[in-house]
Amino acid sequence: SAVISQKPSRDICQRGTSLTIQCQVDSQVTMMFWYRQQPGQSLTLIATANQGSEATYESGFVIDKFPISRPNLTFSTLTVSNMSPEDSSIYLCSVPRGAGDINEQFFGPGTRLTVL
Amino acid sequence: GQNIDQPTEMTATEGAIVQINCTYQTSGFNGLFWYQQHAGEAPTFLSYNVLDGLEEKGRFSSFLSRSKGYSYLLLKELQMKDSASYLCAVMDSNYQLIWGAGTKLIIKP
Repeated sequence: SAVISQKPSRDICQRGTSLTIQCQVDSQVTMMFWYRQQPGQSLTLIATANQGSEATYESGFVIDKFPISRPNLTFSTLTVSNMSPEDSSIYLCSVPRGAGDINEQFFGPGTRLTVL
Repeated sequence: GQNIDQPTEMTATEGAIVQINCTYQTSGFNGLFWYQQHAGEAPTFLSYNVLDGLEEKGRFSSFLSRSKGYSYLLLKELQMKDSASYLCAVMDSNYQLIWGAGTKLIIKP
């Protein structure tokens, strides 16, 4: 299994500020996914971070609000820009790990964000 | 649109058996996953089904019927540590995971 770390683990931020979340994987992976999980809800995919190209954003998410960097095959960052209380959520990065025909996803521990 | 349905919450007794159902409607199918998520933690992988039938792994089993768009996760000999949310996710034709809202399982002594 992959070892994935995220920084920070939690933060409390003021409205209008920005926070950058880091995701580090212990091995090289082609794709990294960024999810949001709002309180009591399931995971929502924000974007897929590809090394060497622009991230692919899902409907409802835009690059200006959630810029993503992917400088190499083991690291990515997600920035939550111009935050509002509605951005309070857990942000998770994940990587696919094939095992035969299984394309299982491993998740980082998450970043719990509270916006005041 | 794509849709995954599972019950919001279930309660069971320690030592008993519980079945958590999941129905899905997705554009294509490349497998169904069950994940366990304890409060405040990230999801962890439990099982994967791509063919019809039952997959057994210790106390946990997962069943799939592709024709019915239906799966269930069966937990036997329940322990208090099994109290968690159980997420059903389907991989669609684009190999993207579509997630259910999760079933919160409460285990009582």
